[in-house]
Amino acid sequence: GQQLNQSPQSMFIQEGEDVSMNCTSSSIFNTWLWYKQDPGEGPVLLIALYKAGELTSNGRLTAQFGITRKDSFLNISASIPSDVGIYFCAGPGQGAQKLVFGQGTRLTINP
Amino acid sequence: EAGVAQSPRYKIIEKRQSVAFWCNPISGHATLYWYQQILGQGPKLLIQFQNNGVVDDSQLPKDRFSAERLKGVDSTLKIQPAKLEDSAVYLCASTDGRFEAFFGQGTRLTVV
Repeated sequence: GQQLNQSPQSMFIQEGEDVSMNCTSSSIFNTWLWYKQDPGEGPVLLIALYKAGELTSNGRLTAQFGITRKDSFLNISASIPSDVGIYFCAGPGQGAQKLVFGQGTRLTINP
Repeated sequence: EAGVAQSPRYKIIEKRQSVAFWCNPISGHATLYWYQQILGQGPKLLIQFQNNGVVDDSQLPKDRFSAERLKGVDSTLKIQPAKLEDSAVYLCASTDGRFEAFFGQGTRLTVV
């Protein structure tokens, strides 16, 4: 089945720094989703992408649908303490509306 | 709009015991998912329902796991008997037909 690989697995940054992470797929995707998960909570949808090359922002977050349709990128500008958490990419697996997830990028911010 | 509700939030059981989790999806959402999230990993799909029918249960360990959504709304996931490796967070999610799924807070299961 489809596999999603996220990079890096973890990041340790200073408050105020910009963050970049990416996700690659073993097959072509038509949709990319980015979620954030706080400790003890379920994942929360941040951004949805539907077209190759699409660039979408949500506040300080910007995500891009790679033109090869096998990758996606998430950037966070001017990080703040509440950005701490685990960021997951997700996309359609084989089958009707099946959603598969990457292994996550854990973001830690030093004040 | 109310979100996806799950209960209980936490459960500790001994191995070989049984346990059940409950999920109430967002009103009107026909698709409901159960995911298992082991510590340090991404969510893994266990079963997907469309209304009260199963769409995908290919990764559900059917010898011990079962799930139902009898009236096409609430759903229950059961494990019987539980094993140590079943310790995880069990997440329920729902969607109205798009890929964007909305998740509940999850149930953290510890098997000792």
